[in-house]
Order: sequence, then C-alpha cells, then structure tokens
Amino acid sequence: AQSVTQLGSHVSVSEGALVLLRCNYSSSVPPYLFWYVQYPNQGLQLLLKYTTGATLVKGINGFEAEFKKSETSFHLTKPSAHMSDAAEYFCAVSDNYGQNFVFGPGTRLSVLP
Amino acid sequence: DTEVTQTPKHLVMGMTNKKSLKCEQHMGHRAMYWYKQKAKKPPELMFVYSYEKLSINESVPSRFSPECPNSSLLNLHLHALQPEDSALYLCASSQSGGVDLTETQYFGPGTRLLVL
Repeated sequence: AQSVTQLGSHVSVSEGALVLLRCNYSSSVPPYLFWYVQYPNQGLQLLLKYTTGATLVKGINGFEAEFKKSETSFHLTKPSAHMSDAAEYFCAVSDNYGQNFVFGPGTRLSVLP
Repeated sequence: DTEVTQTPKHLVMGMTNKKSLKCEQHMGHRAMYWYKQKAKKPPELMFVYSYEKLSINESVPSRFSPECPNSSLLNLHLHALQPEDSALYLCASSQSGGVDLTETQYFGPGTRLLVL
C-alpha cells in the first residue's frame, strides 16, 4: 500500500522567495507521483507528475519537483513565489499498476507581500 | 472543452431529503470519479466508473448511490444523509476507460453539501 506525508501543514513565504513544499512517500512498488493544487473554493488541478525517466519534472506555473528514490521524496519547488500561488497543495502517489491512489494531507501555502 | 462541470455549487438538505449531484464532462474521458473532501483534509476516493460501469467502491455507505447514465454524465444520489456527510463533493475524470489511477485526473469545482 502507498502512503504520503507532507511536512508542514502550513508554509508561509514572502513574495519573490523560494517555495519548497515537502513530500515523502512510501511504496512497495515503483510509484507514480503527483502534485495537485487547489485554489480556494475550487477543484484540484494537476501541477506536475512523475512516471518514469527523468527525475526532475517541470510543471505549470513555474513549479518543478525532483524524484529522489534514495530519499523517497518528491519535493515541490518554485524559485520565486507569487501572490497567486497561495493555495492548498497536495502530493499524491499511485502504484505503477494504477490500482491504488492516495493523497497526502496537504500543505497550505501563504504568500506574504 | 477541457472542463468538468458540477451542479449544484451549493446544496443544503435535511436528513430525510433525497437529492442528486450532477457531474458532466465532454472530453471523451472514459473514467469518472467521486471524491469526498472534508474541510482542511485531502480528497477521499468514493467511487470510480470505468466505461460506465462501477469499478471501485471504497466501502461507501449505501445512502450514497452513484449512477453513470452515459460516458459524459455522472450522478451521485443522496438519501437519508447524516450531518457528518457535510463536505465538498468533487467529481473527476480521466482519459482511459480502464481503472488506471496513474492517469491525470481532471477535477470539477465541487458541490458544497450541508446536511442539517
């Protein structure tokens, strides 16, 4: 079975500062890893996804994440935060058979002016 | 059209009422999902439909009854709900007809349900 932990339920950064949201996963088989974003009062939107191959994944809105198997991590970064990045961010994992999928608990990102 | 739409946006119902939530997509996706999201929690998978057939039911109480009349439409029928069922109900779809949870899911904006 897969599981996901996200360190920090709430992260605050200043506008223009680096964004780092942490995700660690547990999986007995090669994982597929996702980052979804949920803006207030909206559904979720995929930011990026790791399947196989290149471990550095670039997504929308300037976000990227790196799959590190040795650390079982898939941290999300953005070099410069924008006010519009304020949202809830969910890391998720699926097994490579596509039969299990689970979201992490989420991290709320606040961006301060 | 790359949208998943959900109606209504908000719903208030009593514990004896019967109501339905509706989800629609016109992307040609063959898998559709219902999730329940409580405040400040991640979405929890409830049901997955694949080729209009129920493929996954995550031990959801029978007071929630899903229906997939065609490949574009997904309903969630509600009956005799409890106050703890109050939540945001999210619909999603993905391209493949097989149950493949590695696929990207496209989410609707949700229906916010309050059970009194």
